[in-house]
Amino acid sequence: DVKVTQSSRYLVKRTGEKVFLECVQDMDHENMFWYRQDPGLGLRLIYFSYDVKMKEKGDIPEGYSVSREKKERFSLILESASTNQTSMYLCASSLDRGFGNTIYFGEGSWLTVV
Amino acid sequence: QKEVEQDPGPLSVPEGAIVSLNCTYSNSAFQYFMWYRQYSRKGPELLMYTYSSGNKEDGRFTAQVDKSSKYISLFIRDSQPSDSATYLCAMSAGNAGNMLTFGGGTRLMVKP
Repeated sequence: DVKVTQSSRYLVKRTGEKVFLECVQDMDHENMFWYRQDPGLGLRLIYFSYDVKMKEKGDIPEGYSVSREKKERFSLILESASTNQTSMYLCASSLDRGFGNTIYFGEGSWLTVV
Repeated sequence: QKEVEQDPGPLSVPEGAIVSLNCTYSNSAFQYFMWYRQYSRKGPELLMYTYSSGNKEDGRFTAQVDKSSKYISLFIRDSQPSDSATYLCAMSAGNAGNMLTFGGGTRLMVKP
């Protein structure tokens, strides 16, 4: 089974702090994604990566950056956390860019910015 | 108008009922269709995966795709309290990158 692991499930951070959310997948997937999920807004794509050291902006990249130094690891960085970034963050991965590959999600990281 | 529409619910049914969950979409290029189940405070897990039109059955779950109507459904037979969750539909055109477009999710409650 595909395993996508988000190391931090619940975090509370102060406004202005730099926040790192870490994600690791164990299936040698090429693609990795970061989404945020908010009530009434559904899942929104922040960033994705097709390969090591590559990244592409999603629908809502402002205020975020990402890092992919190793194939299995994809980090989401909040450079200066703000209260409107309080949300559930979901990491996901998929096999490659071939047609029809589906996405597997981690358990989610609940971030509260106070 | 959103590209994928899904009634948010909540949908409340008694245990044992047949549940029908639906999504409509506007992009005729979509050809891969998925249903995810998400329990409270958990990540979505893949439940069903269908390519193009037709039906697919897996135990108590049946996924149905009608591309001519741009309408997909998930049926749950003999619903159980453990089926209580939010169900998300997702679809892609199969283009390079294989980006998924999600519905907003339907919250289902199955009462004992």
